[in-house]
Amino acid sequence: DTAVSQTPKYLVTQMGNDKSIKCEQNLGHDTMYWYKQDSKKFLKIMFSYNNKELIINETVPNRFSPKSPDKAHLNLHINSLELGDSAVYFCASSWDSSNEKLFFGSGTQLSVL
Amino acid sequence: GQQLNQSPQSMFIQEGEDVSMNCTSSSIFNTWLWYKQDPGEGPVLLIALYKAGELTSNGRLTAQFGITRKDSFLNISASIPSDVGIYFCAATSSPSDTDKLIFGTGTRLQVFP
Repeated sequence: DTAVSQTPKYLVTQMGNDKSIKCEQNLGHDTMYWYKQDSKKFLKIMFSYNNKELIINETVPNRFSPKSPDKAHLNLHINSLELGDSAVYFCASSWDSSNEKLFFGSGTQLSVL
Repeated sequence: GQQLNQSPQSMFIQEGEDVSMNCTSSSIFNTWLWYKQDPGEGPVLLIALYKAGELTSNGRLTAQFGITRKDSFLNISASIPSDVGIYFCAATSSPSDTDKLIFGTGTRLQVFP
């Protein structure tokens, strides 16, 4: 059983389109995250949700809208995709918002053409 | 902003060799962690350190929390081909909702048989 699973693994789309990435964790964790990894492999936090409530929003453009229907799911919707959005997006979870031990999904490679 | 600089950026070593890498910052942190990212996967936690000066091992891996609280070190002894990947340090200031986990710039390790 995959602990943190995200879909799709690969996403290729045209500029201007809207797309979503789904994430689910079966670990019973309270906190979920979205991280962005650029072409230089630098990992940067985008959002953090604790029990469906937003607790961190790292100055991400409002074209990015996370949605947490319950604490086991944190989906990422991106409107009007731009070339610079191309990256690998990782979902992660932890027991609670003060726990630094993150469990990551295997990533979604987004390519905007 | 807070930044974690890792060195070296990349390493090419022979199987059986020992490896050392480090992570430095101009800021003080209360928790240091080391993660490993295999190709096409998300990072996986290797070691967590909670006290200045602490030395912790996980199999062939040993990590230390620097005494100044501004750095950390990771050693891998007797490297094997499956040690290949990107090693990230990560740190956080305190156990708080809004204190993010910051990741370092990464050290890419290549092991030749």
